[in-house]
Amino acid sequence: DAKTTQPTSMDCAEGRAANLPCNHSTISGNEYVYWYRQIHSQGPQYIIHGLKNNETNEMASLIITEDRKSSTLILPHATLRDTAVYYCIVSLTDKLIFGTGTRLQVFP
Amino acid sequence: DAGVIQSPRHEVTEMGQEVTLRCKPISGHDYLFWYRQTMMRGLELLIYFNNNVPIDDSGMPEDRFSAKMPNASFSTLKIQPSEPRDSAVYFCASSTSTGMHFWEQYFGPGTRLTVT
Repeated sequence: DAKTTQPTSMDCAEGRAANLPCNHSTISGNEYVYWYRQIHSQGPQYIIHGLKNNETNEMASLIITEDRKSSTLILPHATLRDTAVYYCIVSLTDKLIFGTGTRLQVFP
Repeated sequence: DAGVIQSPRHEVTEMGQEVTLRCKPISGHDYLFWYRQTMMRGLELLIYFNNNVPIDDSGMPEDRFSAKMPNASFSTLKIQPSEPRDSAVYFCASSTSTGMHFWEQYFGPGTRLTVT
């Protein structure tokens, strides 16, 4: 599976948009981009996934560049409850390999 | 739906003892995954099943670890004998290969294992 690179940590003010980047320069044509998050001491939670097109759901938006070598997860109005570790994963199959993720801290 | 159910939530045992972790996936899901999470190694996939059949066990650390899925609603992860380095949080997750939530994995609350 392709490897992803994410910043170790980020801060975001409550109510502002949180933009979490992910680089996946070796992604292959059929690999999906997945985002999960893990709130302290809980199991990871699925957020969103996409292949080529931008995606939006009730939790977030996923912007994938045209060359698919990077993506950005957008939380439009971050709240304190969005403080978590966010994982960007690329996978062709149901087997997901979690990296170290980005620790997002939302502050008041 | 109750979600993925794991038991016990906490387990403390002595080195050398057998440990059995249990998981009940979401009804109707045909994939089941076992993960282990530690500070040092992060979240690691140990093994996963499709329709009760093990598909990939390449993440199982060694022969002391074994996993079974006797039916669609139950799976176990067994460690025998346990060692202090097995201390971790073990997560079970399930997913379905059909429908709108294709490949979305639902995680259980985890079992925190401490081996002394």
